Amino acid sequence: GAVVSQHPSRVICKSGTSVKIECRSLDFQATTMFWYRQFPKQSLMLMATSNEGSKATYEQGVEKDKFLINHASLTLSTLTVTSAHPEDSSFYICSASTSGTKTQYFGPGTRLLVL
Amino acid sequence: AQSVTQLGSHVSVSEGALVLLRCNYSSSVPPYLFWYVQYPNQGLQLLLKYTTGATLVKGINGFEAEFKKSETSFHLTKPSAHMSDAAEYFCAVSDQASGTSYGKLTFGQGTILTVHP
Repeated sequence: GAVVSQHPSRVICKSGTSVKIECRSLDFQATTMFWYRQFPKQSLMLMATSNEGSKATYEQGVEKDKFLINHASLTLSTLTVTSAHPEDSSFYICSASTSGTKTQYFGPGTRLLVL
Repeated sequence: AQSVTQLGSHVSVSEGALVLLRCNYSSSVPPYLFWYVQYPNQGLQLLLKYTTGATLVKGINGFEAEFKKSETSFHLTKPSAHMSDAAEYFCAVSDQASGTSYGKLTFGQGTILTVHP
């Protein structure tokens, strides 16, 4: 149980384009989803927290207009990187949790490369 | 505010030897503590967690960790390392905020475990 998927697993795009990453909880309803980015050989940095049906809460220093997050249902959250630039290249990981467990279950990650 | 410090960015052991990965935390509220494992180019897999109750927590793959409040530690151990244990391990603390339905995680820097034959 507690499986989280992400799509795509890898994406390459041109600078200036937008990229959408999906995060799905497959066998449970996720009241909260989290988005992280991870640079090579570094730890995970929380970008934002989203609750179903509410606006996402962004961490300090994360541009909300650049990283658009939508959590429209209890099983799906999306992260859209708008007008991507090479410095946005990173590994993006989502996680999902339910109201009772306070345990985050992580997706497999999406490798974004912006050329 | 919360923080996590993992002592040692790299740990190397021989197959069959004891694994000890160190984690110290700071938290202004009673913490929830987690250990996750990450294999290359993959997401994180939960190994074990401490919320309340028994301070010695057993997880998957033979790992266990002990919550020591007096030492603010949550070290991860395994009696006998396997080659398949080679991965990166992250300790994390949750901000068990009252009145909210979720816990924001703060991660340590990670420890890469290498297992030699």
